[in-house]
Amino acid sequence: EVQLVESGGGLVQPGGSLRLSCAASGFTFSNYAMNWVRQAPGKGLEWVSAISDSGGTTFYADSVEGRFTISRDNSKNTLFLQMNSLRAEDTAIYYCAKDQSLLPTAGIDYWGQGTLVTVSS
Amino acid sequence: QSALTQPASVSGSPGQSITISCTGTSSDVGSYNLVSWYQQHPGKAPKLMIYEGFKRPSGVSNRFSGSKSGNTASLTISGLQAEDEADYYCCSYAGSSTYVFGTGTRVTVL
Repeated sequence: EVQLVESGGGLVQPGGSLRLSCAASGFTFSNYAMNWVRQAPGKGLEWVSAISDSGGTTFYADSVEGRFTISRDNSKNTLFLQMNSLRAEDTAIYYCAKDQSLLPTAGIDYWGQGTLVTVSS
Repeated sequence: QSALTQPASVSGSPGQSITISCTGTSSDVGSYNLVSWYQQHPGKAPKLMIYEGFKRPSGVSNRFSGSKSGNTASLTISGLQAEDEADYYCCSYAGSSTYVFGTGTRVTVL
């Protein structure tokens, strides 16, 4: 059974930083691209970032480019999202999501339960 | 990337069929047969219902079907049931290893 468990969310002041983690199990982690998708309170889903199976290539939405960094540790089956220069509009539930292919193209098939990030003073 | 356009809400009575549209552009929906549909109940994570436009994952009811014409993808739920009441999102590959989601549709079972 595929399991994705996010952690690291919390309350942070504007301009601050936070690092999210996602522990994966139930599949061969190193064979698949991984994504982060967020959902602001009461709003829709927004794709944030993706990383290839090897971690060699990364991709970002314009809204987070230059502020967020996605990475992975295939030896520990863990995905990360380093978030810097956080803004109020980054407040959202952040979902870790498994892709169906080794590069983000075929779509997301499994989601974690999400971790809430609140940016407020 | 602008979000794909979905109707804000769709409703139907039990047993009826409803269709949710998802309109994009020639840069996303129109260029690839890579549209997915997700169901999200309140407070829960999204669940994959359709991938690659029309394929159903194992365990998803055959009451759910997907199609595409031009820049618009569609999700049809036939034999509507109470448990189908949820938010539904489309998502398309948008090139350069990026994705774009739809605005979301609230399905209400009357």
